[in-house]
Amino acid sequence: EPEVTQTPSHQVTQMGQEVILRCVPISNHLYFYWYRQILGQKVEFLVSFYNNEISEKSEIFDDQFSVERPDGSNFTLKIRSTKLEDSAMYFCATNKRGGQGDTQYFGPGTRLTVL
Amino acid sequence: AQTVTQSQPEMSVQEAETVTLSCTYDTSENNYYLFWYKQPPSRQMILVIRQEAYKQQNATENRFSVNFQKAAKSFSLKISDSQLGDTAMYFCAFMKRESGANNLFFGTGTRLTVIP
Repeated sequence: EPEVTQTPSHQVTQMGQEVILRCVPISNHLYFYWYRQILGQKVEFLVSFYNNEISEKSEIFDDQFSVERPDGSNFTLKIRSTKLEDSAMYFCATNKRGGQGDTQYFGPGTRLTVL
Repeated sequence: AQTVTQSQPEMSVQEAETVTLSCTYDTSENNYYLFWYKQPPSRQMILVIRQEAYKQQNATENRFSVNFQKAAKSFSLKISDSQLGDTAMYFCAFMKRESGANNLFFGTGTRLTVIP
């Protein structure tokens, strides 16, 4: 069964450094999402992406964040200058038909630790 | 704005017994979807079950079923014949039904422990 993959599984970085989290969506999926889960808290929406542009973003997704699909397969989330409070699990999710009732399938997540 | 509330932070159930997890939501939308996701200790998010708001019939998936009360904005998950592998965090989630990319709104989760 096709699945969403994410790399790395765990990233440790120093405050102020840039990180890039990678996601490989299921091949025929067109809508991509990033979510964040701070330890012990609920899953929060960051950004959605369709047709090579951002569809919607939350207030968490400030100028330090960016997303792109550089090569038609990987979907990346970049944090330019990490802060301690960026430490969290980051989940990529994808689906075929967006809001038309299509289930979002999640990747296994990347645990980001900012020191 | 949509909000999802899970009022039970933790629950436990004996193996083979039945447990019900509660979820309420608030929305002005008429067309939407509701989901239950399971997050085991590995922290992977796994879809358990989904419900279309326009369907009156409650969704079922093997041992998992929901009680969807649209007027009350309630969406509870019943797990029958609980198994040790059901031990996990369970998140209720809401998604608007409209074209384009639509994000999920999650509740705060219920930690379920199945006791042998």
